[in-house]
Amino acid sequence: DIVMTQSPSSLAVSAGETVTINCKSSQSLLSSGNQKNYLAWYQQKPGQSPKLLIYLASTRESGVPDRFIGSGSGTDFTLTISSVQAEDLADYYCQQHYSYPLTFGSGTKLEIK
Amino acid sequence: EVQLVESGGGLVQPGRSLKLSCAASGFTFSNYYMAWVRQAPKKGLEWVATISTSGSRTYYPDSVKGRFTISRDNAKSSLYLQMNSLKSEDTATYYCARLTVLAPDYWGQGVMVTVSS
Repeated sequence: DIVMTQSPSSLAVSAGETVTINCKSSQSLLSSGNQKNYLAWYQQKPGQSPKLLIYLASTRESGVPDRFIGSGSGTDFTLTISSVQAEDLADYYCQQHYSYPLTFGSGTKLEIK
Repeated sequence: EVQLVESGGGLVQPGRSLKLSCAASGFTFSNYYMAWVRQAPKKGLEWVATISTSGSRTYYPDSVKGRFTISRDNAKSSLYLQMNSLKSEDTATYYCARLTVLAPDYWGQGVMVTVSS
């Protein structure tokens, strides 16, 4: 199974700051066939269902603000949130969608100071 | 508008069975792989099952393999999860999800399953 390791587990920032969340996979998520990385990011606000932000490592889902940026390749990935807003208070999860069993990171709790 | 509405959750004793349903609307259900993902209270996300568009292929993690069965009825735009031999560690909110390249792009509101005597 591919193990997804997320860091940090929590962080607190002030509005307007830039946040970086890291995700490392135990195996490469890069497909040799199409050169795409099968890594997704989700946002889960308190009391809500998860919402897809990014898939294929850097493709932003329709309607997601462009201050959410996914990057990385192989085994190391990053979600960057620029100019954090109060509404970004949430848990963030990475997920590998490369192979079964599908696996998620343990999550990062983002708090706004 | 894509909508996924789960039902069938509740309190069940260990060792008993429960069947969850998910009614889909707003998209061509038969064109998408579908999945169930769960979240134990105050915990992270865990993938539970995936089914192909026709229902001919299903996938499970070891934690539920042999106990859970995912199925679908494309004529009714409905997804199901039959859960047998339930354990306390199956207590969670269960989400129905539509998949795009195996990443859930739409999620239902979730349904709570509590396994307790």
